[in-house]
Amino acid sequence: AQSVTQLDSQVPVFEEAPVELRCNYSSSVSVYLFWYVQYPNQGLQLLLKYLSGSTLVESINGFEAEFNKSQTSFHLRKPSVHISDTAEYFCAVSEGIKAAGNKLTFGGGTRVLVKP
Amino acid sequence: GAGVSQSPSNKVTEKGKDVELRCDPISGHTALYWYRQSLGQGLEFLIYFQGNSAPDKSGLPSDRFSAERTGGSVSTLTIQRTQQEDSAVYLCASSSWTSAPKNIQYFGAGTRLSVL
Repeated sequence: AQSVTQLDSQVPVFEEAPVELRCNYSSSVSVYLFWYVQYPNQGLQLLLKYLSGSTLVESINGFEAEFNKSQTSFHLRKPSVHISDTAEYFCAVSEGIKAAGNKLTFGGGTRVLVKP
Repeated sequence: GAGVSQSPSNKVTEKGKDVELRCDPISGHTALYWYRQSLGQGLEFLIYFQGNSAPDKSGLPSDRFSAERTGGSVSTLTIQRTQQEDSAVYLCASSSWTSAPKNIQYFGAGTRLSVL
């Protein structure tokens, strides 16, 4: 069984300041890792993913996350946030086994509130 | 359609009534997933379809919940004799199976169910 822990339920941050959202996971098998973002009253949108290869992955809007296997972490960072980054962010994992159907296990979410 | 479509977007029902939630996946996506997002439980997996069969129903919380998929496309999640604890946002996602297990899930906007 897998589990995902997002240590911070809420993160207030000032505009143009950096932000880091922490995510730790546990699994007995290899996993794929994802960050999803949910804007108010909308569904989940994929922000970025780690499947294999380079442990540092980036999104088109300035977010990046680094897979750390030894620490079982996949923290999300952005060096300078905008008001439009106000949203809830979910870390998720899926087992790297086809038979598992790739269902996602989510963390509890981190609500980011960007203040002017 | 261009994305995953869910209907209705909002549903208010009385305790004890049955409800049906519909999901129309992205055309050509063979895998379909239902998740539930509630305040107390966060985001939880409910059921996964590959084509019309459901290899994994492990997340359905009780026998009042059932789901079916027909023609490898539209899926319906049915909740019988609704209870107040069923109040949540029900999210549907679909993915292609061509590169499993790396296939990415695309989410609909969800159905917000309120049981009075």
